[in-house]
This record gives sequence, structure tokens and C-alpha cells, in this order.
Amino acid sequence: GENVEQHPSTLSVQEGDSAVIKCTYSDSASNYFPWYKQELGKRPQLIIDIRSNVGEKKDQRIAVTLNKTAKHFSLHITETQPEDSAVYFCAAPGAGSYQLTFGKGTKLSVIP
Amino acid sequence: KAGVTQTPRYLIKTRGQQVTLSCSPISGHRSVSWYQQTPGQGLQFLFEYFSETQRNKGNFPGRFSGRQFSNSRSEMNVSTLELGDSALYLCASRPGRNSYNEQFFGPGTRLTVL
Repeated sequence: GENVEQHPSTLSVQEGDSAVIKCTYSDSASNYFPWYKQELGKRPQLIIDIRSNVGEKKDQRIAVTLNKTAKHFSLHITETQPEDSAVYFCAAPGAGSYQLTFGKGTKLSVIP
Repeated sequence: KAGVTQTPRYLIKTRGQQVTLSCSPISGHRSVSWYQQTPGQGLQFLFEYFSETQRNKGNFPGRFSGRQFSNSRSEMNVSTLELGDSALYLCASRPGRNSYNEQFFGPGTRLTVL
């Protein structure tokens, strides 16, 4: 099945700085890569996703990049704000399946 | 539309007991997936149900089971509880299963096994 590795497990940045979270996946056939954000005590919510026919996608301060050759994708958050503090999960579908395998998460702390 | 709901929100059980958790998906969503969330392990996939049939299963022992009803509501059952089963159990729904749809998560059920 799909194996998704996510780094780092924790990340602290100063408010206004950028944050980058990286994920690698094992199944070269995977072609959909979402990112979910889970605030403390709340449910995970989709914040951005990318499909394999594009290399980058942006939504205001959030961007995701995909390198299919290297089988990795990254979440970039610019001009971080305290409300960006949360756990972020990347995911990828398994071989021949639309079921997602999630990374273990990155706890992002934005220091005011 | 109402979001995904889960009941109960909190449960405390003792080792050896069994527990049943319930999930009501968003209206019109036919796929329900269950995940176990523990610190440091992320979201581990338990199983997915679609049209009352289990379609995918994660790497969990047979003590973990589930079912789905004709109205798409789903239940999961854990028998012979162990201390390591203490976790947040999340369910997620999406309209179908043969495309890349956003998964909408419920608030979770926090299970504590003593």
C-alpha cells in the first residue's frame, strides 16, 4: 500500500515568517495530494489539494508544490499568523484506490 | 447542509469491554471512512463503507469492525478493549468513492480505556 512520510513532526516559526512542510509518497501512480489542517480540539479540514497534472497551486498565503519525479510534495505558508498554529496532515491515495493514506502530521506553532 | 456528526463525543470504558461508535454523514454522502488518531501516529485508516459494504480495510485486528446502514449512517465496534485502543476516532464522509473528493470529518469520539 501507499506509504506517506511527513517532515518535520514539529515546526516553530516567528509570526510573519514562512513555513514549509514536506511529504514523500511511495506509489508513483498516485495523482491527488490534499492537505488537511486540524486546529486544537477541532476536526481536520481540507485547506488545499493538488492533482498530478499541475506542479503548483496557490490559494492566498498557502501553496502546494508537487515533484512527481522525486515523489514528494510540499505545503508552503507565507506570512504566517498565530491562527495558522495547528497540526497539518498531508495525504495520498493508495494504488488503485481513492482511499487516502495520511502522514503523521506536523504541529506548526506560530510565535507572536 | 448539516455536517458530519458523531456520537457519543466521549466514552470511558475498561479493558475487556466492547464499544460502539456512531457516525452520521452529510446528507447525500454515501462513503464513510473511519480513522484512529493517536499522538504521534496521525490518522490511521480503519475501514471504508459504501452502499452498506466494506470497501477498504486498514491494518487493524479483527476486534475492530463496522457496518453501514441503508441511510449511510455507520457504526464501528471495538470488542475486547485494550489500553492501546484509547484514541480519538474520527469518521469522514464524501459523496462517492470513485473520485478524489474532499473528505468531511466529524468531531470525533474520544475513547478512553482504563
